[in-house]
Amino acid sequence: DTGVSQDPRHKITKRGQNVTFRCDPISEHNRLYWYRQTLGQGPEFLTYFQNEAQLEKSRLLSDRFSAERPKGSFSTLEIQRTEQGDSAMYLCASSPTGLISNEQFFGPGTRLTVL
Amino acid sequence: AQSVTQLDSQVPVFEEAPVELRCNYSSSVSVYLFWYVQYPNQGLQLLLKYLSGSTLVESINGFEAEFNKSQTSFHLRKPSVHISDTAEYFCAVKMGSSNTGKLIFGQGTTLQVKP
Repeated sequence: DTGVSQDPRHKITKRGQNVTFRCDPISEHNRLYWYRQTLGQGPEFLTYFQNEAQLEKSRLLSDRFSAERPKGSFSTLEIQRTEQGDSAMYLCASSPTGLISNEQFFGPGTRLTVL
Repeated sequence: AQSVTQLDSQVPVFEEAPVELRCNYSSSVSVYLFWYVQYPNQGLQLLLKYLSGSTLVESINGFEAEFNKSQTSFHLRKPSVHISDTAEYFCAVKMGSSNTGKLIFGQGTTLQVKP
């Protein structure tokens, strides 16, 4: 399968714990996006990478959130000191270099539940 | 700020009936418009997109959407729905001026096709 993959698919954690999610984009896609989707809402943009550079972060991304894409391939999203409000589906998407209008391909998401 | 509004959170319809899912956006600059579909327990998939040219765009499975600049709308239609069309549908925009290509999503519309 050559689509976007995310790991884990589900994560249950206790409030105050740290969690890390991984995203593997489609090979050779240099644009990578993280979104968050809460129940009954559409995805909301969190952050954007072009290769290894993090070029935009949403105000939704508090200081407890950090994302990396160290070699311009896979990306990680870490949430420190999780809160119940962090419970959501975290989506990763990638798109090829070139036009901004290029399609974004989404992974299956990581569902986070904070108890 | 740019926003996308999907006017109906749920649309119940009988099989083989026509359906319209409404989408309006607010933007004073050029936009690219997308409809994504999310089947149960699956990731977001692109259904169709408007980038430029003809304002009527079609998908391979019978959906179509029309870009109306004066009404800032991009409604999705299908003349005859199938049970398999039951899913969550998201309208999304990219600002033509964006350097990142991030998507701004609506809240989603659940299409429930009944036999």
